[in-house]
Amino acid sequence: AQKITQTQPGMFVQEKEAVTLDCTYDTSDQSYGLFWYKQPSSGEMIFLIYQGSYDEQNATEGRYSLNFQKARKSANLVISASQLGDSAMYFCATFSSNDYKLSFGAGTTVTVRA
Amino acid sequence: NAGVTQTPKFQVLKTGQSMTLQCAQDMNHNSMYWYRQDPGMGLRLIYYSASEGTTDKGEVPNGYNVSRLNKREFSLRLESAAPSQTSVYFCASSEEIGTNQPQHFGDGTRLSIL
Repeated sequence: AQKITQTQPGMFVQEKEAVTLDCTYDTSDQSYGLFWYKQPSSGEMIFLIYQGSYDEQNATEGRYSLNFQKARKSANLVISASQLGDSAMYFCATFSSNDYKLSFGAGTTVTVRA
Repeated sequence: NAGVTQTPKFQVLKTGQSMTLQCAQDMNHNSMYWYRQDPGMGLRLIYYSASEGTTDKGEVPNGYNVSRLNKREFSLRLESAAPSQTSVYFCASSEEIGTNQPQHFGDGTRLSIL
């Protein structure tokens, strides 16, 4: 089974500043996918960004970018120009091609201050 | 713009009662999933259905059964509810099952077992 580690249980960031959320993973798969999801206080899970293990370029989606360092097994999420609406829990997840399972980290809570 | 719809949104059961959680998606996705989320943890896969007519166990299948009724619908059944099954349950779907397929989630069902 894959193990996902998110070492920051909670973070505060000032509005309009950037914030980096850490994620490391442990997998023996050659092919895997990396995902970030956002869970606001209302509870729904919102897909943010995807990175394939063979992708050489870091993924970007609007204000979200993924800093993928394959050798370090690291997939950090960068949120630029933080907004109050970015306050939420953020989950890193990897998909294993061996057991078809999406494995989640424990999450990082981000609070954006005005 | 419904996406993935789960019913009910909230439910309280007594120990030993049975319950079926319903999930439907309107995105013509082939693959569907059931997860549970417990406090302080990421989501854990209960069961998944790679395509219509197939179902497979995930990480925590004990105490649950599933039915892939058709391409749109994937239900989760608790035959004899236990307090340990108190959780938030999420249904998700993806176009296919694979490492590059983001999963899209419903809003969750908050289930309490007394």
